[in-house]
Amino acid sequence: DAGVTQSPTHLIKTRGQHVTLRCSPISGHKSVSWYQQVLGQGPQFIFQYYEKEERGRGNFPDRFSARQFPNYSSELNVNALLLGDSALYLCASIWDRGLQEQFFGPGTRLTVL
Amino acid sequence: QKEVEQNSGPLSVPEGAIASLNCTYSDRVSQSFFWYRQYSGKSPELIMSIYSNGDKEDGRFTAQLNKASQYVSLLIRDSQPSDSATYLCAVNDYKLSFGAGTTVTVRA
Repeated sequence: DAGVTQSPTHLIKTRGQHVTLRCSPISGHKSVSWYQQVLGQGPQFIFQYYEKEERGRGNFPDRFSARQFPNYSSELNVNALLLGDSALYLCASIWDRGLQEQFFGPGTRLTVL
Repeated sequence: QKEVEQNSGPLSVPEGAIASLNCTYSDRVSQSFFWYRQYSGKSPELIMSIYSNGDKEDGRFTAQLNKASQYVSLLIRDSQPSDSATYLCAVNDYKLSFGAGTTVTVRA
């Protein structure tokens, strides 16, 4: 069985640009979450989607948006990139929304210059 | 006050010893607790889930949960160099809230 996949693996952008990150969950999982992890910190929650509906949003500005598609894959979009957006962006596939056992993909390393 | 706090590291233990990691959380309604292992440059890997008070053992790992004290811990027995990583405590409060992590180094 394929695990969680994310693309691209690495990305370099400049300030003010836009970026789209993609994620496919584990087969059979209907919920995904997005996290941002900066160096030396734990992952910070950005969004959670279940059955294409947003089920939670973390404390991030409106420059961050996401959506989930009918096949349960998801996109995270970030507009007007800032230097501080440089981080590892993680997508997690969720087995059970109640228990929240989450399995992470390999992540996308975003560098903003 | 941070939602999830972990004991500050780094933690250095000799090979074969027990590594003890601690985590406290602030939300009393949390029902699910997790430990993730993260190697440098990699994404977090789920190693333990615990949902009820008491101990849960899986191989060399033991998780302990005390909801009254809002405390969860992870013991790594017979530590191996391959256990050298950052360990993240996560608590479910409709989303996962993570601690900052404790870096463990197992010295041969």
